[in-house]
Amino acid sequence: AQTVTQSQPEMSVQEAETVTLSCTYDTSENNYYLFWYKQPPSRQMILVIRQEAYKQQNATENRFSVNFQKAAKSFSLKISDSQLGDTAMYFCAFTPNNAGNMLTFGGGTRLMVKP
Amino acid sequence: EPEVTQTPSHQVTQMGQEVILRCVPISNHLYFYWYRQILGQKVEFLVSFYNNEISEKSEIFDDQFSVERPDGSNFTLKIRSTKLEDSAMYFCASNEYSNQPQHFGDGTRLSIL
Repeated sequence: AQTVTQSQPEMSVQEAETVTLSCTYDTSENNYYLFWYKQPPSRQMILVIRQEAYKQQNATENRFSVNFQKAAKSFSLKISDSQLGDTAMYFCAFTPNNAGNMLTFGGGTRLMVKP
Repeated sequence: EPEVTQTPSHQVTQMGQEVILRCVPISNHLYFYWYRQILGQKVEFLVSFYNNEISEKSEIFDDQFSVERPDGSNFTLKIRSTKLEDSAMYFCASNEYSNQPQHFGDGTRLSIL
């Protein structure tokens, strides 16, 4: 069974600063996908970024980037130049590369961007 | 951009009653999912659905639960004989291929009284 752990229940950052959200996971799979989803207050979950385990290069998406350490089973999210609209719950999620593709989520990190 | 839509946004039901939560996945998507999130807890996988049958389900998805794709657009989750502990946010998701990111709906908040 896979587990995903987010050790920071809440974080805050000043607008325009950089913040890193932590995520670790445990799996016996060798090929899998990792995601960060953002859930603004009372809104749907939105995909932020995706990483394929077989790719060594860290994924980037504009101000969002990841630090994927496969051996350490770590998948942190860095948000650069934080904006007020980044205030949300952030969920790290894992899925193995097989049929069904259920997502296993971490407990989430509530990020507050302060003006 | 196409979205997954869920109705209702909030459902209040008496314990013991049946409830049906509705979802309209993105039109060209082939894989459908239900998740739930009890207040203050993790988002948990319930079931995945492909080609008109369940492809995977969790331990939570017992005989009380069922899913159906009654027509070409809707994907429903039925909960029979609801219990207080069924109170949660229920999220529907879909993707075109199973290894693609899942797109989520806004969720239905289910409150069992």
